[in-house]
Amino acid sequence: GAGVSQSPRYKVAKRGQDVALRCDPISGHVSLFWYQQALGQGPEFLTYFQNEAQLDKSGLPSDRFFAERPEGSVSTLKIQRTQQEDSAVYLCASSTPLFGANVLTFGAGSRLTVL
Amino acid sequence: AQKITQTQPGMFVQEKEAVTLDCTYDTSDQSYGLFWYKQPSSGEMIFLIYQGSYDEQNATEGRYSLNFQKARKSANLVISASQLGDSAMYFCAMREDDDKIIFGKGTRLHILP
Repeated sequence: GAGVSQSPRYKVAKRGQDVALRCDPISGHVSLFWYQQALGQGPEFLTYFQNEAQLDKSGLPSDRFFAERPEGSVSTLKIQRTQQEDSAVYLCASSTPLFGANVLTFGAGSRLTVL
Repeated sequence: AQKITQTQPGMFVQEKEAVTLDCTYDTSDQSYGLFWYKQPSSGEMIFLIYQGSYDEQNATEGRYSLNFQKARKSANLVISASQLGDSAMYFCAMREDDDKIIFGKGTRLHILP
């Protein structure tokens, strides 16, 4: 597709449920990033991939969070046993190096509300 | 410690005036990149401008310019002739040598008619 596609756009989960958020990056983009954005705050880095390799997962808040990109294209962010503090917008972005820049193109985000 | 610091949580500027949004960064890498993104109330993240650490000239893109002061580790965004549509959150971001990209907490800009 022309842009980064994220689904679902909105997800309401009961505390304790597992959720899976999908990101379909721009075709051919090597790098894929996940960020968590709380209301009125900046995007907080969660993890990133180059192709299928997860190069940094230092931002994942706990072992309840897991991300994968098995074929170097679509990525899934999974949150197990959701808690209220997980409520946020989850942003996915993809990029490919161009003249030294790695400009991120963002998806519209998945807004997760945990009740 | 914060790697990207945006000290202005909110700013109010009269339409048509120029505005400077502050950003300081902290890195020990020699090769890095700095970005500015705009996030309107609709929530989309829009890329505005990029500056590489080895670029000698300040980056410019239309009404946007990046005032890069390497020794001071400062990368301020300047918007000339502000418009009502410039009202949004603005985020400074940095790519370090490992290609990880991190963001600051943002500045909310309000343009007044």
